[in-house]
Amino acid sequence: SAVISQKPSRDICQRGTSLTIQCQVDSQVTMMFWYRQQPGQSLTLIATANQGSEATYESGFVIDKFPISRPNLTFSTLTVSNMSPEDSSIYLCSVEGGSGANVLTFGAGSRLTVL
Amino acid sequence: GQQLNQSPQSMFIQEGEDVSMNCTSSSIFNTWLWYKQDPGEGPVLLIALYKAGELTSNGRLTAQFGITRKDSFLNISASIPSDVGIYFCAGFTTSGTYKYIFGTGTRLKVLA
Repeated sequence: SAVISQKPSRDICQRGTSLTIQCQVDSQVTMMFWYRQQPGQSLTLIATANQGSEATYESGFVIDKFPISRPNLTFSTLTVSNMSPEDSSIYLCSVEGGSGANVLTFGAGSRLTVL
Repeated sequence: GQQLNQSPQSMFIQEGEDVSMNCTSSSIFNTWLWYKQDPGEGPVLLIALYKAGELTSNGRLTAQFGITRKDSFLNISASIPSDVGIYFCAGFTTSGTYKYIFGTGTRLKVLA
């Protein structure tokens, strides 16, 4: 299955700043998914990122707040803009593929704390 | 966003006991997945289910794809301390949009 590397693994950020999370995959993948996991909560899909097209955002998430880039088939970035304490979460990158069809493989996540 | 209802929310069990958790939805899914998340890590796939009624095992873990395609359960037999973690179900659908939706999670604690 694909190996996903996310950077940073964790960061402490100041209110009002922006942070870009990088996701690198060791193989070419068509679809990449960005999830948010708020403290003690489940995973909520932010957006689906396909190479060569605009990301598709879920209800409640907008491009101005969470711009996504997908420059090639192995890399994507998610930016959390103008951060507030409510953005403190784990952000997870995932791709399809692994042990069978229709499964997701996840990176270790990026834990952001906004002060 | 949309989530699947998972129960129980949390459970404390003694080592050696069997564990059962389930996941329900108002929507039909094509695939049911079960993941385990350890602290500081991303979720790791345990079992994938592709057909209604399918029963699949992975070591001490057994999961079933409900007949109605709206539910699934996961059993863990003879629990051990390393089973501690959060278990998530997930459903895959292409109805409307192509996406994976996660359950609310079951936090498992094993008492040695």
